[in-house]
Formats: sequence, C-alpha cells, structure tokens
Amino acid sequence: AQKITQTQPGMFVQEKEAVTLDCTYDTSDPSYGLFWYKQPSSGEMIFLIYQGSYDQQNATEGRYSLNFQKARKSANLVISASQLGDSAMYFCAMREGHTGTASKLTFGTGTRLQVTL
Amino acid sequence: GAVVSQHPSRVICKSGTSVKIECRSLDFQATTMFWYRQFPKQSLMLMATSNEGSKATYEQGVEKDKFLINHASLTLSTLTVTSAHPEDSSFYICSAERDNGYNEQFFGPGTRLTVL
Repeated sequence: AQKITQTQPGMFVQEKEAVTLDCTYDTSDPSYGLFWYKQPSSGEMIFLIYQGSYDQQNATEGRYSLNFQKARKSANLVISASQLGDSAMYFCAMREGHTGTASKLTFGTGTRLQVTL
Repeated sequence: GAVVSQHPSRVICKSGTSVKIECRSLDFQATTMFWYRQFPKQSLMLMATSNEGSKATYEQGVEKDKFLINHASLTLSTLTVTSAHPEDSSFYICSAERDNGYNEQFFGPGTRLTVL
C-alpha cells in the first residue's frame, strides 16, 4: 500500500483564490510527521509546512495551512490568496517514528499546481 | 533557513565513466544526509541515508557498489555514480538533516546527470 497518496496529478486555480491540495497517508506508527514541499521548475525542494502527529492544532505558515484530520489520515495543504509564483509541483511527505530517530521521508507522487490570471 | 549546496548542478558524461556529486551543508553540521533520485515528472525516491563516520544505509534495490556514498565530515557527503550508463541519467537531490525540533531536512538544489 502507498504510504503517501496524492490523488490530484494536476490542479488549476485562479490568482487570489484559495486551493486545497489533497494528501492521505498510511502508517501504524503513532508518532509521525507530515511535510509539504514545493518544487518549482528549477528543481529545488522548498519546505512549506510541518505537522506532527501529536500536534493539537493545525499548522499554519503565512498563506499555507495544513488541514490535519488524524482520524481520516489526511493532511491537506491549503494555499490562500494564490499567486502566479505558486505554480509548481507540490509534494506531501511523511516521516515515521519519533524525532531523533532515523528520519527517512516518504514522498507522494505530487500535484502540479497551475495558477492562472 | 539553512543552506545546502550541491556541486555540480549539471553534468554530462560518457557511458562508463564515474561521476562524483558533492553535497554540503553550509551553515550547520549534519550528522545525517540523504540522497534521492527523481526521474522526470516523478516523485523523489530515497536512495540511501548517509551517516557521518559510518557506512551509508541503502534502500532496497539500490546497488551500493554502483552508488558509492561517503560522508567524511559533518558538512560534506559525496555520491559517486560508478561506471555510469544512460539509465543512470536522472536528477539527484541531497538533503541534510538539522535537529530543529522536528528533524527538518534541508534540500540541495539538485544535480542533473546525463549519461550519453
């Protein structure tokens, strides 16, 4: 079974609108972390936001927020007020185990977001 | 945020040659670095975990004799693709782990390898 599933290969959003990128995960480990990365065409991976499995509140970082629904094992990324520069590939990733242990990341297949005028 | 560099950013080589890619954490010490491979329009696949002063841990299916990893210092890990072939052409990305509360990985800009 896939550990990280991103079901939207591509998404379009109009500038200034909000968009939600879906991510579901599968783990039996009670301790895990969820990450979202942005990869523009240049190839670099840009960290956006992090959610720990024990965090009580949904993570927020500027225009990015993470809709964490633990019972449904989903960690959707919400981008508010989309900008043209948000056009990129977005990856959801998971690290299993406690902080301090081997922190391998497993990535989803990604969602390509295109922001239009 | 922390800075991780990779060198070279792009390399073209002939089949049968070896290529070395360097990954450096510029402003922090990284006990653990990771090497990923990404094919066009695909996700990142972890190749190996590089630990300073010890042998790398390779993921299943990754040939350790083909992809040599050396983590000689707390700021440098190298990946050597030995006897490269066209099927080794890919985008290779390294990351360095920093203990900032959730072991964030800071990624390098990647190296695009083309084997002719």
